[in-house]
Amino acid sequence: QVQLHQWGAGLLKPSETLSLTCAVYGGSFRGYYWSWIRQPPGKGPEWIGEISHSGSPNYNPSLKSRVTISVDTSNNQFSLKLTSVTAPDTAVYYCARGSAAGPRGVDYWGQGNLVTVSS
Amino acid sequence: QCVLTQPPSVSGAPGQRVTISCSGCTSNIGTGYDVHWYQQIPGTAPKLLIYGDNNRPSGVPDRFSGSKSGTSASLAITGLQIEDEADYYCQSYDSSLSGVIFGGGTKLTVL
Repeated sequence: QVQLHQWGAGLLKPSETLSLTCAVYGGSFRGYYWSWIRQPPGKGPEWIGEISHSGSPNYNPSLKSRVTISVDTSNNQFSLKLTSVTAPDTAVYYCARGSAAGPRGVDYWGQGNLVTVSS
Repeated sequence: QCVLTQPPSVSGAPGQRVTISCSGCTSNIGTGYDVHWYQQIPGTAPKLLIYGDNNRPSGVPDRFSGSKSGTSASLAITGLQIEDEADYYCQSYDSSLSGVIFGGGTKLTVL
């Protein structure tokens, strides 16, 4: 059974950098895309970006200048960094398996981390 | 800029059939990009319900089905059950935005 476990700081001040990591347990890490998706309180999901197991990323154009997604295949982990956060970046952040842009969608999700940006 | 538009809410009685629409445009659904549907119980992560327009992942009941025509897609739920009460989101890719887009979500209430 595939499980994704994510962790990172939950409270940030404006201008700080959001950093989250997701570990994948069970199943294969290779051969998949790995995604980050966020959901502001009371709103729908927003795609942040994705990365292949070999390290090729795709980012949401609206966040591209601030986002870096990286992969650590030796530990079956992938990470998200979002710089210069502001209040609108407050959301539940999810890591997930799969390419939302691909034919099979995103099939396994992490538990989610609420990240709050507040001074 | 074209988004995916869903009705804010739908409702139905147990046992009934409901459909949730997802209206897009030529830069996303109309181009033929895959449409996926997710079910979200408040406080939990979304769950993949339909992928590739009309395919069910293992474990998803056949009461759930997806379809696509032109620039729109639909999710149908037959034999409505209390536990189907949730938020539903459609998702596709948009070539103008060069990125993945989600619909605004539809809250299903089972009366």
